[in-house]
Amino acid sequence: QKEVEQDPGPLSVPEGAIVSLNCTYSNSAFQYFMWYRQYSRKGPELLMYTYSSGNKEDGRFTAQVDKSSKYISLFIRDSQPSDSATYLCAMSETSYDKVIFGPGTSLSVIP
Amino acid sequence: EAGVAQSPRYKIIEKRQSVAFWCNPISGHATLYWYQQILGQGPKLLIQFQNNGVVDDSQLPKDRFSAERLKGVDSTLKIQPAKLEDSAVYLCASSPWAPTGYEQYFGPGTRLTVT
Repeated sequence: QKEVEQDPGPLSVPEGAIVSLNCTYSNSAFQYFMWYRQYSRKGPELLMYTYSSGNKEDGRFTAQVDKSSKYISLFIRDSQPSDSATYLCAMSETSYDKVIFGPGTSLSVIP
Repeated sequence: EAGVAQSPRYKIIEKRQSVAFWCNPISGHATLYWYQQILGQGPKLLIQFQNNGVVDDSQLPKDRFSAERLKGVDSTLKIQPAKLEDSAVYLCASSPWAPTGYEQYFGPGTRLTVT
């Protein structure tokens, strides 16, 4: 079993849709959970991070962490064509530890 | 604020040749990371520096890969000799200091093709 898993997609949605991206993980010691966005031929860009369980909202983006289920989600409201990218979840045990990335989910938002 | 700079952006070499990548982190960032991202996979940490000291190189194939960060600023990653399976994007990232490892800023990467 891989440490962090994501559905690779591709996921294709119409503009304005609500997008749900998910990751599961096996290491119960993870406490920091991040979402990165990676455009084609670019480096990943941090969208948001969450410590431990709960929700965090930033504009159109909401991150949720359910540690009891070892499951994290990223919701994108009112999706835009500019949201078309690969979304990588990432996590670490402490703020010092190495970050483990998921394989990414490719998202296309169709105008 | 200037971002993380990397060069070259693309490199094509034959197997058994050597190659070097350069990274200049965001000014003032003490922590520097090198990642390998194979197509369809997430980035995998190769080595982490805190200033000019190595914090984690447990996943660096030390028989062929080496990295240094002289003077705690820019860094070089070298592969010698290269294998076909080294074809990947090599990403450099930096963060202000080690306790903010969850907040990393990535460069554009160097796309390496080994033929």
